[in-house]
Amino acid sequence: DQQVKQNSPSLSVQEGRISILNCDYTNSMFDYFLWYKKYPAEGPTFLISISSIKDKNEDGRFTVFLNKSAKHLSLHIVPSQPGDSAVYFCAATVTGTASKLTFGTGTRLQVTL
Amino acid sequence: NAGVTQTPKFQVLKTGQSMTLQCAQDMNHNSMYWYRQDPGMGLRLIYYSASEGTTDKGEVPNGYNVSRLNKREFSLRLESAAPSQTSVYFCASSEQANWNTEAFFGQGTRLTVV
Repeated sequence: DQQVKQNSPSLSVQEGRISILNCDYTNSMFDYFLWYKKYPAEGPTFLISISSIKDKNEDGRFTVFLNKSAKHLSLHIVPSQPGDSAVYFCAATVTGTASKLTFGTGTRLQVTL
Repeated sequence: NAGVTQTPKFQVLKTGQSMTLQCAQDMNHNSMYWYRQDPGMGLRLIYYSASEGTTDKGEVPNGYNVSRLNKREFSLRLESAAPSQTSVYFCASSEQANWNTEAFFGQGTRLTVV
């Protein structure tokens, strides 16, 4: 049972436009969510996170939105740059459970010129 | 600052062979983790160590053992490798187990079992 789902395996966006990556979860106990970015042959690197007490968190070009009632979160990248081309993983955890992460299957973002 | 270092980066094993994947972190983190990544399945937790001296099973522990050697090092052992264990393995660490901090990942070990 996939508790964290990323239903779009890939996304292509033009440079300068907005990239929107989506993530859904089924476990209502999750209360902390993270986005990781992964380049080929490298480990995932942390991008941005959000606690369930918030509905939005911004960090530069990256904004994460959380809709708890819909069990949905999204990552917005504005403006998209070619260096953003990577696989993006959504992850979730429950506070107090040793920060164990449950990952989605990833979305490959390609930013074209 | 090296962060999380994994060795080896690549390994080919024959079915039934054993090996140990090494992981070390230099960030003085308390918690360490082993994940595997398979195509179309994201990363799945194999084992974790919330603090030095403790280890616990994750989502997919069968066929693996771990040792938290000290605060810095957390190794993953395959006693009798199987083709189903062909995967990319990532070690990660985080500052504390009981509040929400991001995990830092190593570069990964690509393991092929033939």
